[in-house]
Amino acid sequence: DAKTTQPTSMDCAEGRAANLPCNHSTISGNEYVYWYRQIHSQGPQYIIHGLKNNETNEMASLIITEDRKSSTLILPHATLRDTAVYYCIVRVAFRAGGTSYGKLTFGQGTILTVHP
Amino acid sequence: KAGVTQTPRYLIKTRGQQVTLSCSPISGHRSVSWYQQTPGQGLQFLFEYFSETQRNKGNFPGRFSGRQFSNSRSEMNVSTLELGDSALYLCASSSGTSREAFFGQGTRLTVV
Repeated sequence: DAKTTQPTSMDCAEGRAANLPCNHSTISGNEYVYWYRQIHSQGPQYIIHGLKNNETNEMASLIITEDRKSSTLILPHATLRDTAVYYCIVRVAFRAGGTSYGKLTFGQGTILTVHP
Repeated sequence: KAGVTQTPRYLIKTRGQQVTLSCSPISGHRSVSWYQQTPGQGLQFLFEYFSETQRNKGNFPGRFSGRQFSNSRSEMNVSTLELGDSALYLCASSSGTSREAFFGQGTRLTVV
């Protein structure tokens, strides 16, 4: 799996957009970008993933650059409950036969602190 | 739909003992993965099971083992516990064809 680089920490004001960057310059053509977050002492929570197109769901938006070497997770209106460690992960989504790879390689992530 | 259930939530064991942790995946999910989380090493992959077969293994000693049952429930076992095995052990399930994994709340193991 390709290596990712994220800032150690970021701050954001409540109600503002939080933009979390991730560099993955060695990403391969069949690797997806995943984002998870972990609120203190809980299990990681899936947020969003994408291959090369921008993606949006009820939680966030994912913007992937055209060369796929970096991406940005956007939380459009951050709340205090969004304070967490955010992990950007790159991995192949499927193996031959349709069974997914279960392995996620977590880095240190970005500690996002949302302030009132 | 019930989420991933891990039992027990907390456990205290003595050095040298063994421990078994349980994970019940989301109904219909056939893939179960295990992770260890410590302050020093972060989240590290232990192993993955799909259809009762270990499909992938992380870089952990043989004291760490696991298995998956026909109903997709999984157990992991750690033998001859060491102080350094104190950690949050997390289980994640996926359907095998979906692209996202869903995590349980974890089992907090303390070795004294």
